[in-house]
Amino acid sequence: ETGVTQSPTHLIKTRGQQVTLRCSSQSGHNTVSWYQQALGQGPQFIFQYYREEENGRGNFPPRFSGLQFPNYSSELNVNALELDDSALYLCASSPDGSSTDTQYFGPGTRLTVL
Amino acid sequence: GESVGLHLPTLSVQEGDNSIINCAYSNSASDYFIWYKQESGKGPQFIIDIRSNMDKRQGQRVTVLLNKTVKHLSLQIAATQPGDSAVYFCAEFSGGYQKVTFGTGTKLQVIP
Repeated sequence: ETGVTQSPTHLIKTRGQQVTLRCSSQSGHNTVSWYQQALGQGPQFIFQYYREEENGRGNFPPRFSGLQFPNYSSELNVNALELDDSALYLCASSPDGSSTDTQYFGPGTRLTVL
Repeated sequence: GESVGLHLPTLSVQEGDNSIINCAYSNSASDYFIWYKQESGKGPQFIIDIRSNMDKRQGQRVTVLLNKTVKHLSLQIAATQPGDSAVYFCAEFSGGYQKVTFGTGTKLQVIP
């Protein structure tokens, strides 16, 4: 196990709703990244947080937002859900976010938007 | 578990044989590469990495080859075992984890 947990494991929402996904990183890991993985595809980088500040963002609209807390937990919030938001959402933590650090992925939250 | 491998290219290998999984990457400026293994119901797991100043790196039963001329990466798994069955992704980095692009993945099926 990676020591990274995510909740819930599965979630069903309807279009237009808002959702909050949660991640608990390894203790001491100051960086958390979030990814969206559509069925049959590789993960796509959403954004990264380092010490509670966003420090990198992929090609995702502002309705995707996040928070990181001092206790190594974090959240991904998605507003105004669209059908295409249906995917597996992964978080990954690492000590400092540099390319030499190994990232540890959680098992993901499967979001279905109806 | 999750159907991560749905509609992905599939490589079927007999147990004990060697496996070669290929990946074409897109950005000639990418300077770091990782191979990940993703089993059903789990997140990607780091297997091996290589920097752009190398063309080969070996781990335990795995070897990664990098050909920058044709922007090609391969993962070789020696003596493939049933536990190697998973989806394998290559990832290219052009500036840390904020600039990562994952490939579409290959599903490896090991036939006992």
